[in-house]
Amino acid sequence: KNEVEQSPQNLTAQEGEFITINCSYSVGISALHWLQQHPGGGIVSLFMLSSGKKKHGRLIATINIQEKHSSLHITASHPRDSAVYICAVRSRGAQKLVFGQGTRLTINP
Amino acid sequence: SAVISQKPSRDICQRGTSLTIQCQVDSQVTMMFWYRQQPGQSLTLIATANQGSEATYESGFVIDKFPISRPNLTFSTLTVSNMSPEDSSIYLCSVEDPGPETQYFGPGTRLLVL
Repeated sequence: KNEVEQSPQNLTAQEGEFITINCSYSVGISALHWLQQHPGGGIVSLFMLSSGKKKHGRLIATINIQEKHSSLHITASHPRDSAVYICAVRSRGAQKLVFGQGTRLTINP
Repeated sequence: SAVISQKPSRDICQRGTSLTIQCQVDSQVTMMFWYRQQPGQSLTLIATANQGSEATYESGFVIDKFPISRPNLTFSTLTVSNMSPEDSSIYLCSVEDPGPETQYFGPGTRLLVL
């Protein structure tokens, strides 16, 4: 079992739909990151969470430390949100990030 | 924040040759990370490069295959040596801003080995 599991692996939705991507992890962490990777390969950091909830524009990220689970929500989805969304965690005391396998999101107009 | 540039952005290489990828950061950073992303896969850490010391390699990666230089706090290179088609990947440089623990990634180098 991977340390970081994302679901779903692929998600296709219509423009305007509310999107939820889930991330579960199996180790104690100091931080969890949500990243966005566009088809060209470049990666953008969306959120870093250690507790609670963060919001940026139409994106919301939540984390439940006790349940070792995080969700990324996109409200009023748009075709430009189409990308691979990656969850990554940093274990307590570790320097490196461990990555989930990514969720490929496609928003159709 | 940190802005990272990588060169080259992409390359097509013949097997048996070597390619050096450059990573430039617009601010001084202590730790730089090199990742590989094979087709359809997520990111895998190759090594951590600290200025003034040898790079620390992850299991499965060795210095002879992926030599790294870190001459100063804003620059690093990763060489992919004696390439084979299995080395075809995106190679990404990354740095961490320890204050807010934000991770910044370069645009990646897309490598195809024939």
